[in-house]
Amino acid sequence: GESVGLHLPTLSVQEGDNSIINCAYSNSASDYFIWYKQESGKGPQFIIDIRSNMDKRQGQRVTVLLNKTVKHLSLQIAATQPGDSAVYFCAENPTGGGNKLTFGTGTQLKVEL
Amino acid sequence: ETGVTQTPRHLVMGMTNKKSLKCEQHLGHNAMYWYKQSAKKPLELMFVYNFKEQTENNSVPSRFSPECPNSSHLFLHLHTLQPEDSALYLCASSPPGQGGAKLFFGSGTQLSVL
Repeated sequence: GESVGLHLPTLSVQEGDNSIINCAYSNSASDYFIWYKQESGKGPQFIIDIRSNMDKRQGQRVTVLLNKTVKHLSLQIAATQPGDSAVYFCAENPTGGGNKLTFGTGTQLKVEL
Repeated sequence: ETGVTQTPRHLVMGMTNKKSLKCEQHLGHNAMYWYKQSAKKPLELMFVYNFKEQTENNSVPSRFSPECPNSSHLFLHLHTLQPEDSALYLCASSPPGQGGAKLFFGSGTQLSVL
């Protein structure tokens, strides 16, 4: 079946540096992607989304890049802060998949002071 | 706060107990979901309700019984669970239309089955 995966289970960055979290997807029919952030003891929180007709989308300190050629998604966090420490998930919604999302296993982002 | 509230936050139950998880949202969303989150595993979709009708049951054992009395409330009734059912159970909701796949999650119920 289709799957969504993350390249690294843990990413450590220094406070103030930029973070890049990567995600590979295998369903070429996916047309909508979301990044979620999950802090300890909380549910996943929406960060940013992107549709397949776009290559890049920017939010506040975050940017999502979509490369449909290699089926790769990345989340860039600028000037990483201690509050960014969390698990980050990518999720995909295939065309015709209704409102169902397929999630990756997550990347633990650790911000070092 | 995401607007999706789950209770209780923590639950410990024996294998012979019957308990229920509750979820409510007042975001005007028409779809509600139950997900299971186990350590080091992707979120697993359990059930989907659209306009109170169940549209997805992802081969979930019958010891999990969902109920959706209206578009704002969702329950998960639990009975004769197994220790491997211990996990974080997340409720989510989503709006109608093109935004239907953008899920808003509650904080979850951390369930421990003894």
